[in-house]
Amino acid sequence: DAKTTQPNSMESNEEEPVHLPCNHSTISGTDYIHWYRQLPSQGPEYVIHGLTSNVNNRMASLAIAEDRKSSTLILHRATLRDAAVYYCILRDPFSGGYNKLIFGAGTRLAVHP
Amino acid sequence: EAQVTQNPRYLITVTGKKLTVTCSQNMNHEYMSWYRQDPGLGLRQIYYSMNVEVTDKGDVPEGYKVSRKEKRNFPLILESPSPNQTSLYFCASSSNSLGTIYFGEGSWLTVV
Repeated sequence: DAKTTQPNSMESNEEEPVHLPCNHSTISGTDYIHWYRQLPSQGPEYVIHGLTSNVNNRMASLAIAEDRKSSTLILHRATLRDAAVYYCILRDPFSGGYNKLIFGAGTRLAVHP
Repeated sequence: EAQVTQNPRYLITVTGKKLTVTCSQNMNHEYMSWYRQDPGLGLRQIYYSMNVEVTDKGDVPEGYKVSRKEKRNFPLILESPSPNQTSLYFCASSSNSLGTIYFGEGSWLTVV
C-alpha cells in the first residue's frame, strides 16, 4: 500500500496562510489524495481530496504536484479552530479504497494568536 | 444532521467482562468500520463492513468481533477484554469506497 510522509508538527500565527506538505512518492495512478483533520477530543473530519488537479473548497485548497508524488494542503487564513492533527491519506477505489485506509502520524498544527 | 453515534462514550471495565460498543449512522451508508487510536500508533482499522452481512478484518482484528445485521448499526464486541484493548475507539461510515468518511465522536475504553 502506498504510504505518505508528513512533518510531525508545524506552527502558524492566526490569520496567516499555512502550507501543510505531504510526500507520497509511491502513489499509484488510481490513488486519490485525501486530507482529514482531527480536532482535540474529536473524531477525524474530512477536509478535501483530489486526483490530479488542484482543488478548492470552503475549508482549504489542495495543490498537487505535476508528478503527483507530493501535495500541499493550504489553509488560506489560519484560525485558532484550525489547530488539529492533519492526515494525508491515499485511497484507491479499485483496490479497497475504503478498507485499506492507512492513517500515518499526521502533522500536528499549532496556531498562535 | 449527518451523524455517527457511538455509545458508550466512556467506559471502565474489568478484564474478561464482555462488552459491546454500539455504532449507528443516519446517512444510509453502505460502508462502516471501526478504528482504534493509540498514542504513537495513530488510527488503525479493526474491522470494516461493505454492507449488511458483509464484514472483514482490518489491520488489528484480534480480540474483537463485529456484526452488521442492519445497515445503520455496526456494533463492536469485545468478548473477553484485556488491558491491551484500552484505547480510544472510533466508528466511521461512508456511502461508497471513495465517499467522505464520517467519524463518530469516539469511545474511551479502559480495561483494568
